[in-house]
Amino acid sequence: EDQVTQSPEALRLQEGESSSLNCSYTVSGLRGLFWYRQDPGKGPEFLFTLYSAGEEKEKERLKATLTKKESFLHITAPKPEDSATYLCAVQALSGNTPLVFGKGTRLSVIA
Amino acid sequence: GAVVSQHPSRVICKSGTSVKIECRSLDFQATTMFWYRQFPKQSLMLMATSNEGSKATYEQGVEKDKFLINHASLTLSTLTVTSAHPEDSSFYICSARGRGGGGSYNEQFFGPGTRLTVL
Repeated sequence: EDQVTQSPEALRLQEGESSSLNCSYTVSGLRGLFWYRQDPGKGPEFLFTLYSAGEEKEKERLKATLTKKESFLHITAPKPEDSATYLCAVQALSGNTPLVFGKGTRLSVIA
Repeated sequence: GAVVSQHPSRVICKSGTSVKIECRSLDFQATTMFWYRQFPKQSLMLMATSNEGSKATYEQGVEKDKFLINHASLTLSTLTVTSAHPEDSSFYICSARGRGGGGSYNEQFFGPGTRLTVL
């Protein structure tokens, strides 16, 4: 069974304090690993797709990396507006399958 | 590109009534649509998957007679909550995957969600 585990469950950072969120996964053949950001009361917003080990993608203060077992979302010098829940999901190779989501990491950045 | 809209954003209804939620892909063809519900401070729970023109596939434990899903076109899917009860109160989010701009999307794009409150 495909599984995604995210850690920590919650993270509180001071503004400017860089850190990383972890996403560990097991999947029967990886089609893609996806990162989303979700603000309270809103739908998830797509951030990145990673397809193969060693791949990295960046967007502003965020950088996502991928290995064969896990992905990291690195946040450099975060700002209060980066506060949100970050969701990781995987899609298996087999067929048109839905994403399997982790429970998310709730990030709070304090000014 | 890849925008998904939902309507309404909020709905309050009386127990026993039915509520319809619309989900549209605005700038791409959604060959597959997904419906999720989310309780406060919890992750997304997949309810069903639908391919355009086909019957929806429901996840275990989701009542297909209560949550009617129609995916009649490549840009529109609807979720109807029939005979709603207070325990159906939740945040419902649709998501779409498909093709546009000359290519296919592996990504699922999400709508903004609909907050349903059943009194």
